[in-house]
Amino acid sequence: EDQVTQSPEALRLQEGESSSLNCSYTVSGLRGLFWYRQDPGKGPEFLFTLYSAGEEKEKERLKATLTKKESFLHITAPKPEDSATYLCAVHWREAGSYQLTFGKGTKLSVIP
Amino acid sequence: NAGVTQTPKFRVLKTGQSMTLLCAQDMNHEYMYWYRQDPGMGLRLIHYSVGEGTTAKGEVPDGYNVSRLKKQNFLLGLESAAPSQTSVYFCASSYRSFGGSYEQYFGPGTRLTVT
Repeated sequence: EDQVTQSPEALRLQEGESSSLNCSYTVSGLRGLFWYRQDPGKGPEFLFTLYSAGEEKEKERLKATLTKKESFLHITAPKPEDSATYLCAVHWREAGSYQLTFGKGTKLSVIP
Repeated sequence: NAGVTQTPKFRVLKTGQSMTLLCAQDMNHEYMYWYRQDPGMGLRLIHYSVGEGTTAKGEVPDGYNVSRLKKQNFLLGLESAAPSQTSVYFCASSYRSFGGSYEQYFGPGTRLTVT
């Protein structure tokens, strides 16, 4: 069972059609949850860090939220330039060692 | 600030050949990481370093070696390349990770093909 699961795998939206991406995790001892954006042929670009349930962060059309077992990346009125793969990563602690696990990503396509 | 840079951007190797990937960062970060990214697999940690002169194994270290002789540089070596090592390799750096929780900054990647 994957420790970090992102859904859906792919999402097609019309320009202006708001939606949410999900990142759920099964690990305990969360230290932080990160969201990244990755454009084709490029490295991931940092977006947000969330540390505790109830926390929210916003940047332009993106808003990230965190609950005890999942995080959502809300995209409001997306534009074609928001098309990218969105990755989440969970920083957690197990038996005294620290781990960082990435999800497989959600590929977002915004159609004009 | 260049951030994190990687050399080379592309490389094709024959099975059994060796090569070194170079990562450099100008943000004075203590921690540096090497990942590989394969379709449908997500990013997987190969090796990481918590400071100059130190390295540690990640999730998929077999077939790779690393060195961190200078704080700003992190080298990834393949001693005898195999087709299974065909992948995109990303280097990243951060202020701190395994003791706190700081975001990582990634390089542009190296696309490696082993034939």
